[in-house]
Amino acid sequence: AQSVTQLDSQVPVFEEAPVELRCNYSSSVSVYLFWYVQYPNQGLQLLLKYLSGSTLVKGINGFEAEFNKSQTSFHLRKPSVHISDTAGYFCAVSVTGNQFYFGTGTSLTVIP
Amino acid sequence: GAGVSQSPRYKVAKRGQDVALRCDPISGHVSLFWYQQALGQGPEFLTYFQNEAQLDKSGLPSDRFFAERPEGSVSTLKIQRTQQEDSAVYLCASSLIRDSEAFFGQGTRLTVV
Repeated sequence: AQSVTQLDSQVPVFEEAPVELRCNYSSSVSVYLFWYVQYPNQGLQLLLKYLSGSTLVKGINGFEAEFNKSQTSFHLRKPSVHISDTAGYFCAVSVTGNQFYFGTGTSLTVIP
Repeated sequence: GAGVSQSPRYKVAKRGQDVALRCDPISGHVSLFWYQQALGQGPEFLTYFQNEAQLDKSGLPSDRFFAERPEGSVSTLKIQRTQQEDSAVYLCASSLIRDSEAFFGQGTRLTVV
């Protein structure tokens, strides 16, 4: 079975500071990895995904993530956050593409 | 429309009432997923369709939950005899093919009173 752990439920960060949102996964087989963002009262929007190839993945809004197979991690980073980045961020894994397993999410609050 | 559309956006049901939630996926998308998201939690998988075939329903929490996609396009999630623990946001997502990006709708917030 697959599972996703997002240890940080809430992350406050000052505007223009860097941020890292942590994601660790558990799986006995190769997985696809995703980060989604959820703004209040909205659905989920894909930030970036890792399917294969380069372990450093760049996404929308200046976010990037690095797949680390040995540490089973897929941490999300942004060098300088904006107020508009305040949202919920969800890491997800998929084995077959038929089912996505989501973490419990990290609420990012950018402080002016 | 350009995205996944879900209706209604909000639904209040009395305990014991049956509800039906609708999902209009992006035109041409083969795969369709339903998720349940409780307050402060990540989405939990409910069921998956490939065209009209329901290939995985392992996440449906009880036999009160039923989903269908009879013509391989619009899908309906039905919950019979709703209970308070059914209160959640129900998200629908579709993707063009398996393993491609899943696009999510805005969800239906169900409150059972």
